[in-house]
Amino acid sequence: GENVEQHPSTLSVQEGDSAVIKCTYSDSASNYFPWYKQELGKGPQLIIDIRSNVGEKKDQRIAVTLNKTAKHFSLHITETQPEDSAVYFCAAVSYTGGFKTIFGAGTRLFVKA
Amino acid sequence: DTEVTQTPKHLVMGMTNKKSLKCEQHMGHRAMYWYKQKAKKPPELMFVYSYEKLSINESVPSRFSPECPNSSLLNLHLHALQPEDSALYLCASSQDMDEQYFGPGTRLTVT
Repeated sequence: GENVEQHPSTLSVQEGDSAVIKCTYSDSASNYFPWYKQELGKGPQLIIDIRSNVGEKKDQRIAVTLNKTAKHFSLHITETQPEDSAVYFCAAVSYTGGFKTIFGAGTRLFVKA
Repeated sequence: DTEVTQTPKHLVMGMTNKKSLKCEQHMGHRAMYWYKQKAKKPPELMFVYSYEKLSINESVPSRFSPECPNSSLLNLHLHALQPEDSALYLCASSQDMDEQYFGPGTRLTVT
């Protein structure tokens, strides 16, 4: 079946460093790629997303890149802060043949002060 | 108001009980979703309502019964659950079938 692979599963960085999380999807019909941040005891929060007609999108310290040919998309967080510590999920969404959303397994990010 | 609210926050129920989870949004979103999330796993889609009609049921057992009384409310009726149904149940909404806003979830324990 269709899947999304997410790496790494755990990432530990020093405050101020950059963090990169990568996802690879298999469904070529996917054309919307959101990223969610989930803090302990809370629901996922949409932090940035990208659509298939765009290669890169940036919002302050967060950026997402998409390579449709390679079916890769990545989340980049610069100048990390302790409050960035959370679990991050990528997802690939397709609408062809019915709505389908597949999440990656998640990355636990630790930012050390 | 960009908030999705869910009640209750926590729920403990026996296998013979009947209970309901509630979700509310006042963003005018036309799509609402139920997800199940087990510990250290990503959310799994259960149901999608679009314009108050059930549009997707991801082969969820009939002991879970969704209901959409109006465009702002979404319920999940629970009956004869099993201990393996214990999880965090998340509600989400979106204007179109893309940018989803999640609620804080209901942590359900089935004893």
